[in-house]
Amino acid sequence: DQQVKQNSPSLSVQEGRISILNCDYTNSMFDYFLWYKKYPAEGPTFLISISSIKDKNEDGRFTVFLNKSAKHLSLHIVPSQPGDSAVYFCAASPSLTFTGGGNKLTFGTGTQLKVEL
Amino acid sequence: GAVVSQHPSWVICKSGTSVKIECRSLDFQATTMFWYRQFPKQSLMLMATSNEGSKATYEQGVEKDKFLINHASLTLSTLTVTSAHPEDSSFYICSGRDVPNEKLFFGSGTQLSVL
Repeated sequence: DQQVKQNSPSLSVQEGRISILNCDYTNSMFDYFLWYKKYPAEGPTFLISISSIKDKNEDGRFTVFLNKSAKHLSLHIVPSQPGDSAVYFCAASPSLTFTGGGNKLTFGTGTQLKVEL
Repeated sequence: GAVVSQHPSWVICKSGTSVKIECRSLDFQATTMFWYRQFPKQSLMLMATSNEGSKATYEQGVEKDKFLINHASLTLSTLTVTSAHPEDSSFYICSGRDVPNEKLFFGSGTQLSVL
């Protein structure tokens, strides 16, 4: 049962344009969401997160939007740069803090973003 | 950011042998270490959670006698795949929790191939 879904395995975008990566979840207990970026031969690195009390969080070129009623979140990268080419994982947790039962991150399958010149 | 060093990055072994994977937190104390497994085209799946000095907590369906986890110090956790079989071939990755800021830092992963 895939509780966090990234339905697009790959996405190709031109440099300077907007990249939109999507993520859907089914578990209504999730209330903290994270995006990780992974380059080949490296571990995932934290990119941006959002709590369920918000519907938008922005950090530089990266913005995450959360639609709780639709159980959907998206990551926008504007403008896209070649160095953004990587696999992006969406992850969800039932808690903001990694204590008690909130330490389990459920990951999506990832989306390979390719930013072309 | 904080660094988690994971070794080896890839390993090929014969069926029936045991393989040890090490994860070290280089510039922070990881009181909690998480071990994940990823099969091709699937998501990272949590296998177990280990806290320094205590026994690991395994997720449902993960055999604790097959996947031995040791977290004897605040900077080192190991996963030993015992009597490996071809179906254990997978990508294994660890992450350490940096307590002050509650962030997770991932190792670079280990690709295990069992012949």
